[in-house]
Amino acid sequence: ETGVTQTPRHLVMGMTNKKSLKCEQHLGHNAMYWYKQSAKKPLELMFVYNFKEQTENNSVPSRFSPECPNSSHLFLHLHTLQPEDSALYLCASSQALTGTGELFFGEGSRLTVL
Amino acid sequence: ILNVEQSPQSLHVQEGDSTNFTCSFPSSNFYALHWYRWETAKSPEALFVMTLNGDEKKKGRISATLNTKEGYSYLYIKGSQPEDSATYLCACTLSGGYNKLIFGAGTRLAVHP
Repeated sequence: ETGVTQTPRHLVMGMTNKKSLKCEQHLGHNAMYWYKQSAKKPLELMFVYNFKEQTENNSVPSRFSPECPNSSHLFLHLHTLQPEDSALYLCASSQALTGTGELFFGEGSRLTVL
Repeated sequence: ILNVEQSPQSLHVQEGDSTNFTCSFPSSNFYALHWYRWETAKSPEALFVMTLNGDEKKKGRISATLNTKEGYSYLYIKGSQPEDSATYLCACTLSGGYNKLIFGAGTRLAVHP
């Protein structure tokens, strides 16, 4: 089992759909992150969780709703998205929120909103 | 607002060439600088995490330096190979010890046989 697993790898949804992205880490880490990469833009931090508690919401619209039931799992619930939300969503984990801890990334979920 | 800039945006080199790229960041409140390598269709992988001014790290043919006073880091690849083709990302965190990494847009390297 790879360190950080994301499902689904690809998702196409309409603007009225509700879907979820799932991330699971098998590294025993305590911090988990959602990043978004839109075309030709840098990776953009969305949410940070530490020991299941949300520590950062980077002004993300409420149509994105994260959930962290335990330190190993992280979800991103999606509802009434817009076409401009089409992007690659990357999950990552780190041992702790230390600033020097390297992030371990999943391969991403490619989202297309029609 | 923390702005991390990388240059060049893309780079094409021949196999065997040595190359380097730059990451610049605000020097005030600097805490840590990360370099990641991201191959197409794979996940980004950490190369280096650096914190000290003048620090230099090496992994095989890849090395990095850090100047926190002037706010830049260089990544060097010696004797580039086709398998080095990837996007190289740098990311910075501010003081506070909080793992809120702010990424640059990356340098896309293509190494041609």
